Amino acid sequence: NAGVMQNPRHLVRRRGQEARLRCSPMKGHSHVYWYRQLPEEGLKFMVYLQKENIIDESGMPKERFSAEFPKEGPSILRIQQVVRGDSAAYFCATTAASTDTQYFGPGTRLTVL
Amino acid sequence: RKEVEQDPGPFNVPEGATVAFNCTYSNSASQSFFWYRQDCRKEPKLLMSVYSSGNEDGRFTAQLNRASQYISLLIRDSKLSDSATYLCVVNKLGGSQGNLIFGKGTKLSVKP
Repeated sequence: NAGVMQNPRHLVRRRGQEARLRCSPMKGHSHVYWYRQLPEEGLKFMVYLQKENIIDESGMPKERFSAEFPKEGPSILRIQQVVRGDSAAYFCATTAASTDTQYFGPGTRLTVL
Repeated sequence: RKEVEQDPGPFNVPEGATVAFNCTYSNSASQSFFWYRQDCRKEPKLLMSVYSSGNEDGRFTAQLNRASQYISLLIRDSKLSDSATYLCVVNKLGGSQGNLIFGKGTKLSVKP
């Protein structure tokens, strides 16, 4: 996973609760991409952030989902009022500014009961 | 038409076999192409980038046909450890950065 960290690795939430997923880029990387993988499906792009900026959020659901990448600390994907359909693996990938090779973190597996 | 479409699989092959995966993409402006490998319940890992001239890395050969918008991956002398899902991936923006569009993947199972 080339040093990209995600936590927690597994997260269980009940319907209506909030889920916070964290992604720490590998050293030297300032671009973060979030992807969601539903069971038996391919990865789908959600959002692309640079430090303190959302560059592309075209893949984010319009409600309940938000993302940030503050100046200090990890990028956070926040899901409010989770529903069973949010159960999936959420991966982040990071890249340095001058390259398009994305390195993926180990993912967070969210289960909504 | 799906943005990235792959052979549905699964491919079940014996050790030592040669196996080929195909992929087509819909956006003619795409500039970057990759094959990723994903093991069960793990993150995708870059296998190789794909260049117009074709490229080879050991037992793996990737080809790109821009005119047909077609990408292929050839694995020679399959090993048990090659068992995984192979993801065809295209860069959406066509530039050096951008979100990646993933195919659903083709599952390969190499048997003894």
